[in-house]
Amino acid sequence: SAVISQKPSRDICQRGTSLTIQCQVDSQVTMMFWYRQQPGQSLTLIATANQGSEATYESGFVIDKFPISRPNLTFSTLTVSNMSPEDSSIYLCSVVRWTSSYEQYFGPGTRLTVT
Amino acid sequence: AQSVTQPDIHITVSEGASLELRCNYSYGATPYLFWYVQSPGQGLQLLLKYFSGDTLVQGIKGFEAEFKRSQSSFNLRKPSVHWSDAAEYFCAVGGQEYGNKLVFGAGTILRVKS
Repeated sequence: SAVISQKPSRDICQRGTSLTIQCQVDSQVTMMFWYRQQPGQSLTLIATANQGSEATYESGFVIDKFPISRPNLTFSTLTVSNMSPEDSSIYLCSVVRWTSSYEQYFGPGTRLTVT
Repeated sequence: AQSVTQPDIHITVSEGASLELRCNYSYGATPYLFWYVQSPGQGLQLLLKYFSGDTLVQGIKGFEAEFKRSQSSFNLRKPSVHWSDAAEYFCAVGGQEYGNKLVFGAGTILRVKS
């Protein structure tokens, strides 16, 4: 498996501010993703965090709103910019590990509440 | 495009009874299929996966799932449910053809009554 930590675990933020979420993995991984889970909803992929290049965003998500950095193979950040109450969600970091097969592991998530 | 359907939003079973959670997928190539469990306030835990080979896969906590290509299904089963199994269960599909990104179903909330 993979040990993934996220900081902060939760936060309450004011409308119009920004929050940066950190994701740290215990070993190098090729692929990292950021997902959002809105209250009572399933998970939706925000973007693929690419090491050394710009992230690849899914439809409906843009870099200005969710800038992502990935400076190395064990670390990534997601920023939620100019927040509104609609951004209140759980944000999860995920990594892919290839062993004899393909497995995707998730961090514990960051619970964000925007007031 | 890939998609996942979990037709049951809520399921209630008695402790000790058997369980089957349904999952149907749409995928244009060979899928990788996963079941995750999320307990209240907890992260996602991988229960089991289908990658290739034997269509009946065993997972943790006594769960198993069967891949049926003809029915595009990957249903999760457990012969005897424990109260601690109460959680939300997500089916997901992915694969190399789509950059190994996962698409999740809407989830099924399992309630266990004593």
